[in-house]
Amino acid sequence: NTKITQSPRYLILGRANKSLECEQHLGHNAMYWYKQSAEKPPELMFLYNLKQLIRNETVPSRFIPECPDSSKLLLHISAVDPEDSAVYFCASSLRQGTNERLFFGHGTKLSVL
Amino acid sequence: GEQVEQLPSSLIVQEGASVLINCSYTDSASVYFPWYKQEPGKRLQFIIDIRSNMERKQNQRLTLLFDKKTKHLSLHITATQPGDSAIYFCSASIGSNTDKVVFGTGTRLQVSP
Repeated sequence: NTKITQSPRYLILGRANKSLECEQHLGHNAMYWYKQSAEKPPELMFLYNLKQLIRNETVPSRFIPECPDSSKLLLHISAVDPEDSAVYFCASSLRQGTNERLFFGHGTKLSVL
Repeated sequence: GEQVEQLPSSLIVQEGASVLINCSYTDSASVYFPWYKQEPGKRLQFIIDIRSNMERKQNQRLTLLFDKKTKHLSLHITATQPGDSAIYFCSASIGSNTDKVVFGTGTRLQVSP
């Protein structure tokens, strides 16, 4: 399934800066970043709908999203903290006024040293 | 805000058995309920959904029941197979905005051959 691709798959960081990338080939107009810690439910971090950002206000400011076009999503992380160790999933959906299912990427596993 | 609870938190069954996963939510404004399956180390994958104007939906071995009055859903899986082993997440989507999606606490299903 290469409809939503994420890179990198694994990331081991000290207190460095890094970016996660996501691209979807489904023609969807909404893209999301979710954080999933240790088999817990995914938590929404950011949503872009037609390139307009909706932010989860509990997300630390060291996470900065970017949506260069409707099919691509980036997550810039600066000065990571051990609590940031998790799997970060990109997702997309077709939003046309009704609720639709989410399509998830395979995730980026971030390990903070 | 919306809270979504699932019971049981884990299930261990023999191949061929049927299982029932229960999900309850709190916000009567929730109108769309997709379910996802997550195999170990993999992405979440959509398996079945139901909208608040329906009571029942079936997809092969999956049957999803919805009770709007009690704010309760139940997912019935028949003739389980080892490939069904995964964490199952219920979710609730409020209003017409998929961004207000709350995931349930998850049910880990293990099917032994």
